[in-house]
Amino acid sequence: DTGVSQNPRHKITKRGQNVTFRCDPISEHNRLYWYRQTLGQGPEFLTYFQNEAQLEKSRLLSDRFSAERPKGSFSTLEIQRTEQGDSAMYLCASSSRDRGHNEKLFFGSGTQLSVL
Amino acid sequence: AQTVTQSQPEMSVQEAETVTLSCTYDTSESDYYLFWYKQPPSRQMILVIRQEAYKQQNATENRFSVNFQKAAKSFSLKISDSQLGDAAMYFCAYRYPNSGYALNFGKGTSLLVTP
Repeated sequence: DTGVSQNPRHKITKRGQNVTFRCDPISEHNRLYWYRQTLGQGPEFLTYFQNEAQLEKSRLLSDRFSAERPKGSFSTLEIQRTEQGDSAMYLCASSSRDRGHNEKLFFGSGTQLSVL
Repeated sequence: AQTVTQSQPEMSVQEAETVTLSCTYDTSESDYYLFWYKQPPSRQMILVIRQEAYKQQNATENRFSVNFQKAAKSFSLKISDSQLGDAAMYFCAYRYPNSGYALNFGKGTSLLVTP
């Protein structure tokens, strides 16, 4: 169990460019979540997948944001035409239920995006 | 809509002392889950403690315990025998209904532990 892995750890881009972040969840976890965390705030839920199905995407911040999990394993979050207000840390988390129907979230260390 | 409010932006405690972090929430659900997460400078969110609303007994994990007041919609975290490693941001969170295990977080409380 290597934990939830996110790449890159830092990303600097110019306004208007597209960026893509990757999240590798814990291998047996079927649920995967994306959050955004701005300075001085708690994480803000964006979207989640159960296996390859995206079951909640109404909280994505705009149509410039999209996420995929094509084979039910890793996931990508893409931001098109980045704006300075997109600067934030993007967190990924994964979870799975055990036999007792208990579920626990495991978070990655995040990707810090800076839009210049 | 569910909201989570943490009214203490910063708290300070001396090593070995006890500190309580406050959290209130608003929901129309009758059964739900509440959490406290810790975020150290490494940025990784770590689960501290979890409370299920239908359980009347307050959750406890070693030095961490909660005071869950369902009628008042209050969920405070007590840290006993504070240690330097407890210094971090602490976030209270409510589990969104019908969104898997997605969480709605408060703004957080920064805890400073002094020797």
